[in-house]
Amino acid sequence: AQSVTQLDSQVPVFEEAPVELRCNYSSSVSVYLFWYVQYPNQGLQLLLKYLSGSTLVKGINGFEAEFNKSQTSFHLRKPSVHISDTAEYFCAVSEGSGGSNYKLTFGKGTLLTVNP
Amino acid sequence: DARVTQTPRHKVTEMGQEVTMRCQPILGHNTVFWYRQTMMQGLELLAYFRNRAPLDDSGMPKDRFSAEMPDATLATLKIQPSEPRDSAVYFCASGLRLAGAPYNEQFFGPGTRLTVL
Repeated sequence: AQSVTQLDSQVPVFEEAPVELRCNYSSSVSVYLFWYVQYPNQGLQLLLKYLSGSTLVKGINGFEAEFNKSQTSFHLRKPSVHISDTAEYFCAVSEGSGGSNYKLTFGKGTLLTVNP
Repeated sequence: DARVTQTPRHKVTEMGQEVTMRCQPILGHNTVFWYRQTMMQGLELLAYFRNRAPLDDSGMPKDRFSAEMPDATLATLKIQPSEPRDSAVYFCASGLRLAGAPYNEQFFGPGTRLTVL
């Protein structure tokens, strides 16, 4: 079974500051990793994904994440945040192969609040 | 702009009543997912359909919940009878699963916020 831990439930930052949202996972098999963003009263939107290859993954809105297999981490970063980045961010994992790789296991989410 | 649509967006009902939530997946997508989001449990997968067939409903309470796809453009999630602990936001997502593809991206609808009094 897989699990995802998002270490911070809330992260407040000032506009134009850098931010890192932390995510650790556990799995006995190879995995795919995802970050989703949820704006208020909306569904989830895919920010970026790691399937294979380069461990540094770039996504939309200037976000990037780095897959670290030895530390079982997939932290999300942005060098300079905007007010519009205020949202909840979810890390998710699925099996990397096999019939169950449709199944996403989500973390509990991190609320990013960007203050002026 | 193709989107997953869900109706109703909000539903308030009394305990014991039947609740039906509807989802229209993106045209051409062949997979549909139902999720439930609560503060305590976060996001949980309730059911997964591929080509209208239910492949995984292990996350769904069987005694009161049911999910169906009457046709390729409509997925329904029904709760009968509803209970206060069913209060949550229910999301539908759809995707295109291609043979041999490593995974399929899930596109989420805006959700149905259910309150059971």
